[in-house]
Amino acid sequence: QVQLVESGGGLVKPGGSLRLSCAASGFTFSDYFMSWIRQAPGKGLEWVSYISSSSSYTKYADSVKGRFTISRDNAKNSLYLQMNSLRAEDTAVYYCARGTAVAGTLIDYWGQGTLVTVSS
Amino acid sequence: NFMLTQPHSVSESPGKTVTISCTRSSGSIASNYVQWYQQRPGSSPTTVIYEDNQRPSGVPDRFSGSIDSSSNSASLTISGLKTEDEADYYCQSYDSSIVFGGGTKLTVL
Repeated sequence: QVQLVESGGGLVKPGGSLRLSCAASGFTFSDYFMSWIRQAPGKGLEWVSYISSSSSYTKYADSVKGRFTISRDNAKNSLYLQMNSLRAEDTAVYYCARGTAVAGTLIDYWGQGTLVTVSS
Repeated sequence: NFMLTQPHSVSESPGKTVTISCTRSSGSIASNYVQWYQQRPGSSPTTVIYEDNQRPSGVPDRFSGSIDSSSNSASLTISGLKTEDEADYYCQSYDSSIVFGGGTKLTVL
């Protein structure tokens, strides 16, 4: 079955950096778009970024553009999110999510999430 | 980009039917698929409706989705409400970006 397991969250000071990872299993990782989606405490879902199956195309939400970088390693079945210049408003649970076969910008499976807290 | 607007909350009694709307601000609701996710407290979202009106395996047929071009909106309908349906529900669509609705808290009381 499809499994997405995020790691790398934690407490970081404003202006700091963090790298999230997502280990994928149970499907052919290299066939699918992948996304990062976040949820601030008590708030709704916010799309952060997505990457195409071959890494040829990436897109970012305006709120993270220039600060976050999405990448993937298909040989390791892994998705990454490098987060720099972190702000208090980046505090959230970050979910790794798989795009559907029909449209990479639709989601069918979600990980359990990893919490990022930006605070001094 | 466009926005998706959902009611903040809805409530209904067990056994009844509830409909949650999701209105697209610009562009046609029919131009891109809409999906619906359920998120119970402390859990990750799960898909309850995909591609406007399709149900994943394991989702009860009490859940249904539809599109209405006249109101430029999508709807999630849950019939025969059960207490276990109490959750947050999010619609999602896309253009070049992924767009989520603000979420609707369903209370079954």
